[in-house]
Amino acid sequence: GESVGLHLPTLSVQEGDNSIINCAYSNSASDYFIWYKQESGKGPQFIIDIRSNMDKRQGQRVTVLLNKTVKHLSLQIAATQPGDSAVYFCAERYDKVIFGPGTSLSVIP
Amino acid sequence: DSGVTQTPKHLITATGQRVTLRCSPRSGDLSVYWYQQSLDQGLQFLIQYYNGEERAKGNILERFSAQQFPDLHSELNLSSLELGDSALYFCASSEEWDNEQFFGPGTRLTVL
Repeated sequence: GESVGLHLPTLSVQEGDNSIINCAYSNSASDYFIWYKQESGKGPQFIIDIRSNMDKRQGQRVTVLLNKTVKHLSLQIAATQPGDSAVYFCAERYDKVIFGPGTSLSVIP
Repeated sequence: DSGVTQTPKHLITATGQRVTLRCSPRSGDLSVYWYQQSLDQGLQFLIQYYNGEERAKGNILERFSAQQFPDLHSELNLSSLELGDSALYFCASSEEWDNEQFFGPGTRLTVL
């Protein structure tokens, strides 16, 4: 398949600190990128998106950075809260949407 | 609540059987996507429909099929089920064919 086998990378962050979750995407022709958050027992939830003609986009407490040169996407979460604990997926779209393997974020109170 | 509904929530069946999963998109959304999420394969795109027509195909097995009906709801049919088909199956919808997707709560399929 197009997704690697799952041993999820994990990130542990102290409450109040900033979190940075990284993602390497596969196709230089991808024109649209999305970050999703998935809490246990729920479906993925849209956080923020960015098109390939931009390199930065900000939302509420979240920022997505896109580096097309190295095919890298990052999600920055400011002042991380316990409710941010979840698995975060990046996704890229060229012909269809392909999800990355996900990163598990754990917030330490 | 995303506005996307999926039924049933849980499904337990035996190998060799056939099941149908149902999805109702958000009101006004024309596009429906199906994904499979298993522990060892992550979130895998299966297929997308847009306004009743197949739009994109991913890693969907030949034993699986889907369709989108005139009222825009969609069904995913899984046949000749195998143990490895046990997974969470998500449906998502979007307004058009290429924008933000809203995910349903998923159907957990267990094949015994």
